[in-house]
Amino acid sequence: LAKTTQPISMDSYEGQEVNITCSHNNIATNDYITWYQQFPSQGPRFIIQGYKTKVTNEVASLFIPADRKSSTLSLPRVSLSDTAVYYCLVAANNNDMRFGAGTRLTVKP
Amino acid sequence: DTEVTQTPKHLVMGMTNKKSLKCEQHMGHRAMYWYKQKAKKPPELMFVYSYEKLSINESVPSRFSPECPNSSLLNLHLHALQPEDSALYLCASSQGRERAYEQYFGPGTRLTVT
Repeated sequence: LAKTTQPISMDSYEGQEVNITCSHNNIATNDYITWYQQFPSQGPRFIIQGYKTKVTNEVASLFIPADRKSSTLSLPRVSLSDTAVYYCLVAANNNDMRFGAGTRLTVKP
Repeated sequence: DTEVTQTPKHLVMGMTNKKSLKCEQHMGHRAMYWYKQKAKKPPELMFVYSYEKLSINESVPSRFSPECPNSSLLNLHLHALQPEDSALYLCASSQGRERAYEQYFGPGTRLTVT
């Protein structure tokens, strides 16, 4: 199972772009990269998923280099409500969904 | 309807009690999951059901007993729990388990064992 490494915490200010990088050196060919967001006392919420290159949706972008050994979640123009824990997961199927330690993002006014 | 519901929201039980946690989804998902989350820790996978059959049991103690009565419902039966089992129990569902599909999580049940 591929393991992930993320920064424990990050601080940002409202309106800034935030980039959270996840390292997954042992990623396998069939693995997908998925990011979740979790607020206190709530279940995680799916943000974005990708396999290679770049994926963008209405809330975030995911950048994956050619070697796929890392990925970067980009949140444009964060607000206070983006304060949460962000988890990077690497898995080939939903039997392998093991959450890493996550990154605690704090957005300040 | 993209919602996973869990009941109860909060549960306090003694070590000799028997209780059940319930989870329901109506998205037609064929895979359902139980996770346990302690404070300031990531969710830990406990059980995976695929097409109503148990496919993963992450070496969870037998005092936790999962049940999947049909494709929309998932229960977690609790018996003789320990205080260290106090945690947030999260249910999730996904389209399937064959690849890493998006998982939809419920709000969780906050369990306190006294």
